[in-house]
Amino acid sequence: KQEVTQIPAALSVPEGENLVLNCSFTDSAIYNLQWFRQDPGKGLTSLLLIQSSQREQTSGRLNASLDKSSGRSTLYIAASQPGDSATYLCAALPNSGYSTLTFGKGTMLLVSP
Amino acid sequence: ETGVTQSPTHLIKTRGQQVTLRCSSQSGHNTVSWYQQALGQGPQFIFQYYREEENGRGNFPPRFSGLQFPNYSSELNVNALELDDSALYLCASSFVGQGNSPLHFGNGTRLTVT
Repeated sequence: KQEVTQIPAALSVPEGENLVLNCSFTDSAIYNLQWFRQDPGKGLTSLLLIQSSQREQTSGRLNASLDKSSGRSTLYIAASQPGDSATYLCAALPNSGYSTLTFGKGTMLLVSP
Repeated sequence: ETGVTQSPTHLIKTRGQQVTLRCSSQSGHNTVSWYQQALGQGPQFIFQYYREEENGRGNFPPRFSGLQFPNYSSELNVNALELDDSALYLCASSFVGQGNSPLHFGNGTRLTVT
């Protein structure tokens, strides 16, 4: 059974800092790994999706990496802004082909002005 | 392109009642999944529907059931509501076929059971 862990559970940084969010998973037989953003009481917004054959994906100030052999992914946020404050979730999709994502509990990020 | 829409946005029910949540898939998607997200937790997979049939289920009791309609919209039904059913219920749609698309989530339905 896939288990996904995210560290830290919460993070508070001043505006402008670069930061790294960590995600680990126990079963390396994944089809892809996806990072989501969730604002309080809202749904999930997909940020980046890394296929199992890829090492990283970039979108603007966000960069996500994937190391299947070690069961780890990181989300790097450059030059953080107060608008980045949200909960960040990572989720692994198994090789089974079903759309059954296994999520971590998320990292709650607060970026202060 | 219309995204995933869910209704209602909020709902309050009493323990023992039944509830139906609705989801309209994103245009072009043929698969719908439902997730339950308790406060402070990550979403937990409930079940998935493909071509109007359930083809995957998480660790949820039979009182959680669903439907997918020919237009790929979906319903989640929960019978005999319990206090622990209070959560944000998220619907996600995707295209499964030659090349799978990422999941697209709706904004969820916040269910409170009193």
